[in-house]
Amino acid sequence: GQQLNQSPQSMFIQEGEDVSMNCTSSSIFNTWLWYKQDPGEGPVLLIALYKAGELTSNGRLTAQFGITRKDSFLNISASIPSDVGIYFCAGQRIETSGSRLTFGEGTQLTVNP
Amino acid sequence: GAGVSQTPSNKVTEKGKYVELRCDPISGHTALYWYRQSLGQGPEFLIYFQGTGAADDSGLPNDRFFAVRPEGSVSTLKIQRTERGDSAVYLCASSSSVRGGELFFGEGSRLTVL
Repeated sequence: GQQLNQSPQSMFIQEGEDVSMNCTSSSIFNTWLWYKQDPGEGPVLLIALYKAGELTSNGRLTAQFGITRKDSFLNISASIPSDVGIYFCAGQRIETSGSRLTFGEGTQLTVNP
Repeated sequence: GAGVSQTPSNKVTEKGKYVELRCDPISGHTALYWYRQSLGQGPEFLIYFQGTGAADDSGLPNDRFFAVRPEGSVSTLKIQRTERGDSAVYLCASSSSVRGGELFFGEGSRLTVL
């Protein structure tokens, strides 16, 4: 089952607003990633984080790897209509093989123009 | 194409039937993964291949599910005696071994079991 708690479950915002979502776990992860999924598509990687405390940006997106290794957040600044979609956090644990990822349940983002 | 290709995009079958789902990964990617996504949920891990061998199949729900990757490229997920609870989107992803966790997903195969 899922081990990542992602919140909020859904968000309704106005275009131009900033957005913040986060992910927590009872387990330690050595990698945190954020993906976005559009309807009928597979998830697309937005940001990957590899070190505790790391803060990484990708355009209007900023994500951080929590110091405890048990959480991460994603911020989107100045939202635009194409930001609509489902955002998933994902983590990789040291003790699991290869690049097996555990996903959160997603945050559904709606942006009103 | 340059991305991960999955076929069929949609499959409707009857309970008890056998189903095969195919994945063609990005050329040169040695790692291949199958995930299952139910409505309103995040993807759940099924199986991971490194080359031709299944490095981790601990996510397969039961022995009705099996996957192969005989030549280290294309993979087939096989489901025997399908049940209604198998209905979901089956996602395939591939990655280079260099950047663990950075998976490239296909569009998925939507399976509906009636």
